Amino acid sequence: NAGVTQTPKFRVLKTGQSMTLLCAQDMNHEYMYWYRQDPGMGLRLIHYSVGEGTTAKGEVPDGYNVSRLKKQNFLLGLESAAPSQTSVYFCASSYPRGPLNTDTQYFGPGTRLTVL
Amino acid sequence: KQEVTQIPAALSVPEGENLVLNCSFTDSAIYNLQWFRQDPGKGLTSLLLIQSSQREQTSGRLNASLDKSSGRSTLYIAASQPGDSATYLCAVTVDYKLSFGAGTTVTVRA
Repeated sequence: NAGVTQTPKFRVLKTGQSMTLLCAQDMNHEYMYWYRQDPGMGLRLIHYSVGEGTTAKGEVPDGYNVSRLKKQNFLLGLESAAPSQTSVYFCASSYPRGPLNTDTQYFGPGTRLTVL
Repeated sequence: KQEVTQIPAALSVPEGENLVLNCSFTDSAIYNLQWFRQDPGKGLTSLLLIQSSQREQTSGRLNASLDKSSGRSTLYIAASQPGDSATYLCAVTVDYKLSFGAGTTVTVRA
């Protein structure tokens, strides 16, 4: 049981380049999330998904796109990277609400992205 | 918009001292509140989760209280150890989404 994994762990991009971050979870969670963490700030929600084939915008969605084609995977795409997108990106997943639900989110180890 | 504030931003204590970390939030219509631990360069680990109907939760040396009406939570760590050195983040859940504070970075001196 690997939990939540993220690839890659580190990446350096030039302005204007594109890339995709992959998040995978093996806990059969319905909900998945992408956050970014910047120095001196808490995590901010970029996009989230409440099930396969669904996505929704979070607090800071501009410049990012996401896809949830399979329940276990949640992809975050940057179409044209900007220096303002330099950050640490975290993926998380959680159980849906129900009798045993606690809403605890399980986090991946993060991807450190630098845009030059 | 929910705002979550954590004070202080950083804290340094000698080993054995009790830690008190504060969290405040502006909108009391929360589903639950969680405390997370983050080690440098690592992801987040959930420490305690308090449902909106609860007043406190305890796990070992950790105790978290919640006063939803006043928008406050406090995390107590008893008899601190150097291994408790980390950043502690508070987050509230509204509509399946978490809103985080910026965290309190704790250093426990041996």
